[in-house]
Amino acid sequence: EIVLSQSPVTLSLSPGERATLSCRASQSVNNNYLAWYQKKPGQAPSLLIYGASSRATGIPDRFSGSGSGTDFTLTISRLEPEDFAVYYCQQYGSSPLTFGGGTKVEIK
Amino acid sequence: QVQLVESGGGVVQPGGSLRLPCEASGFIFSNYGMHWVRQAPGKGLELVAAISYDGSDKYYGDSVKGRFTISRDNSKNTLYLQMNSLRADDTAVYYCARDLYQGVGDYWGQGTLVTVSS
Repeated sequence: EIVLSQSPVTLSLSPGERATLSCRASQSVNNNYLAWYQKKPGQAPSLLIYGASSRATGIPDRFSGSGSGTDFTLTISRLEPEDFAVYYCQQYGSSPLTFGGGTKVEIK
Repeated sequence: QVQLVESGGGVVQPGGSLRLPCEASGFIFSNYGMHWVRQAPGKGLELVAAISYDGSDKYYGDSVKGRFTISRDNSKNTLYLQMNSLRADDTAVYYCARDLYQGVGDYWGQGTLVTVSS
């Protein structure tokens, strides 16, 4: 099973700042099949990125994904008030599909 | 627009059973694989089960294998999760999601809360 470790656990930033979230896999993710989701309390998760770097439909271009192999990054170029949430990575290149533990982006 | 609506959650005693339906609309349901994903209180996301577009292929997470069954009725645009032998650690919000590609969920329902407690 591929274990995904997300860091930091909590990121305290102000609106307008840049957020850089890391997702590290215990072994290489096949085909860079890595997705990112945003989760707000009481709401359904929203798909942001799939295939490590492809933005999902309707996702603003301030969200970008990068990386390959075992190291992946989600970058939010300028935080908007609605971006404060928990972010999860997921690998879907190997069974079982697994999620990371999440990074909470909170308002500083 | 794509809509997924889960129902059927509630409080159930340990060892009990529950069936969760997820009604889909706004897309051709029979063309898409579907998932069930859960989030326990204060915890992260966990893929519980997945099913192919025609129901011929199914996947289960290790923690639910042998206890949960995923199924679908394409004539009713509905996905199901039959949960048996429920345990306290099955307490979670259960989400259904449409499969974009090989396990990526592109649309999600709002979730239904299952509480296993005596």
